[in-house]
Amino acid sequence: QITLKESGPTLVKPTQTLTLTCTFSGFSLSTSGVGVGWIRQPPGKALEWLALIYWDDDKRYSPSLKSRLTITKDTSKNQVVLTMTNMDPVDTATYYCAHLKWLPSTPYGFDYWGQGTLVTVSS
Amino acid sequence: DIQMTQSPSSLSASVGDRVTITCRASQSISSYLNWYQQNPGKALKLLIYAASSLQTGVPSRFSGSGSGTDFTLTISSLQPEDFATYYCQQSYNTPWTFGQGTRVEIK
Repeated sequence: QITLKESGPTLVKPTQTLTLTCTFSGFSLSTSGVGVGWIRQPPGKALEWLALIYWDDDKRYSPSLKSRLTITKDTSKNQVVLTMTNMDPVDTATYYCAHLKWLPSTPYGFDYWGQGTLVTVSS
Repeated sequence: DIQMTQSPSSLSASVGDRVTITCRASQSISSYLNWYQQNPGKALKLLIYAASSLQTGVPSRFSGSGSGTDFTLTISSLQPEDFATYYCQQSYNTPWTFGQGTRVEIK
């Protein structure tokens, strides 16, 4: 059974760095074809894809946020960490991590999601 | 970036109705199109992947079709638990992008 859970601060101040941790179970990020992504959703708005990390440490980022994002994995702890620098009130959102659905050589979206964590950016 | 446009943005329907939601990509994405359901308080749920493949455990009243730039999600007979927001998402290339969502409300 695959589960994911996001953790991190609920409130950050403008210009601070946000660090979110996705702790998962039911799969290993050292297994070929496995990946974990981060997606966010501002209140009342649509989903926005942020970043993705694959089992082989290949990383992909949203171009609009690439300069501010870093995604890393710790396979021994079954965790994926997302850091976002220079936080702004417009970054207020629920942040989700999710398991990549992988069919032979092809990613197909996310088949398991965490419940999300609401991060508010305010002074 | 590939832009995904859903229509309608919201709709009202009754239990038992047939519901269709469309999603258009700004360029061809072959069949790299996925559909999700979002219910308040619940984890997001993958319904359809690769445009028309039903995710394991998803009721057969959900179906998807299309390829290239135009895609459709159909719910054949709306059930009470289906009143939710639905999103399409392309996984053709990064950045993966989502549609703006379609809210299905009770009439």
